[in-house]
Amino acid sequence: SAVISQKPSRDICQRGTSLTIQCQVDSQVTMMFWYRQQPGQSLTLIATANQGSEATYESGFVIDKFPISRPNLTFSTLTVSNMSPEDSSIYLCSVRVRSYNEQFFGPGTRLTVL
Amino acid sequence: AQSVTQLDSHVSVSEGTPVLLRCNYSSSYSPSLFWYVQHPNKGLQLLLKYTSAATLVKGINGFEAEFKKSETSFHLTKPSAHMSDAAEYFCVVSGGSNDYKLSFGAGTTVTVRA
Repeated sequence: SAVISQKPSRDICQRGTSLTIQCQVDSQVTMMFWYRQQPGQSLTLIATANQGSEATYESGFVIDKFPISRPNLTFSTLTVSNMSPEDSSIYLCSVRVRSYNEQFFGPGTRLTVL
Repeated sequence: AQSVTQLDSHVSVSEGTPVLLRCNYSSSYSPSLFWYVQHPNKGLQLLLKYTSAATLVKGINGFEAEFKKSETSFHLTKPSAHMSDAAEYFCVVSGGSNDYKLSFGAGTTVTVRA
């Protein structure tokens, strides 16, 4: 399996500011992903974080709003830029472990934008 | 394209009675199917997965699910509900050319009455 940690666990931010969320994995993984879970909703994939290249974004998500870094095989960051109250969500990092054919999820970062 | 439909947004059961959570999937390829559970203010936990082996899949905490290709279903069951089963349950599908991408259902909220 994989143990994933995220920082911060929660934050309250002001409109127009940016927040960077960190995701750390205890082993090297090829694939890392970022999801958003809006209040009372299901999870939506934001992007796939590729090591050594730009992230691959899903429809409706753009790099200017959600820049992602992946400097190595155990770490990634997601920035939520120029925040508005609509960005209030839980942001989750996940990794795919090929040998298990499943994805493991971090505990999430609960973001509130005022 | 792949998707899942969870047929019940909310299920309420009495403690000690069976639980049934219904899920139908759509996939152009042989899918992998998962059930995840999310307890309040907790991260996502994998209950079980189907990856083209046995069609009856046993998971943790007494849950099991049966893959029925003819019905495109992957319903989750438990013979006897426990108070600790109160949570949000997500049916998830992956498959196809981008087989690492997960598509989440809308979720089913389970409440357990004493």
